[in-house]
Amino acid sequence: DQQVKQNSPSLSVQEGRISILNCDYTNSMFDYFLWYKKYPAEGPTFLISISSIKDKNEDGRFTVFLNKSAKHLSLHIVPSQPGDSAVYFCAASDNTNAGKSTFGDGTTLTVKP
Amino acid sequence: KAGVTQTPRYLIKTRGQQVTLSCSPISGHRSVSWYQQTPGQGLQFLFEYFSETQRNKGNFPGRFSGRQFSNSRSEMNVSTLELGDSALYLCASSLLSDTQYFGPGTRLTVL
Repeated sequence: DQQVKQNSPSLSVQEGRISILNCDYTNSMFDYFLWYKKYPAEGPTFLISISSIKDKNEDGRFTVFLNKSAKHLSLHIVPSQPGDSAVYFCAASDNTNAGKSTFGDGTTLTVKP
Repeated sequence: KAGVTQTPRYLIKTRGQQVTLSCSPISGHRSVSWYQQTPGQGLQFLFEYFSETQRNKGNFPGRFSGRQFSNSRSEMNVSTLELGDSALYLCASSLLSDTQYFGPGTRLTVL
């Protein structure tokens, strides 16, 4: 049973527009959520996180929204830039299993100039 | 601060052999976690070490093992390699076991 799901394997957007990447989870124990960006042949790079006590966290062009009742989170990138093209992973963890994050399968974002 | 480093970056082994991968965490980080990423798959959690103790373990067979040293450096060992073990092995360190920072990974190919 996959506890973190990213149902869109790929997303293509035009430069300057908004990119919205979605993630669903099933484990109600998860209380900390993260987004990572990954380029080929590199390790994931931390982008932004959100604790379950919040419903929004913003950092520059990146905003993460958390809907706990729907067990859904999303990453908004505004405006999208060609350099944002990468694989984006959603991850979740709970404080009873510190150091273990459960990852989705990733969404490949392509931003077209 | 220097980031997480992993050695070697690339490795080729044959079935039945064993392999040891190394990870040096960010200075001051005491938690080190290991993940496996296979083509088309997300990251699968292997195990986590904190202060030289394995604190969490994923659903991998006993052929996968690890350890952590007093300086927080960690090693991961895979014995009796199988073709399916070919993957990118990622190490991540964290200060308080929340946000994890990843190394570049070791690409293991089993022939």
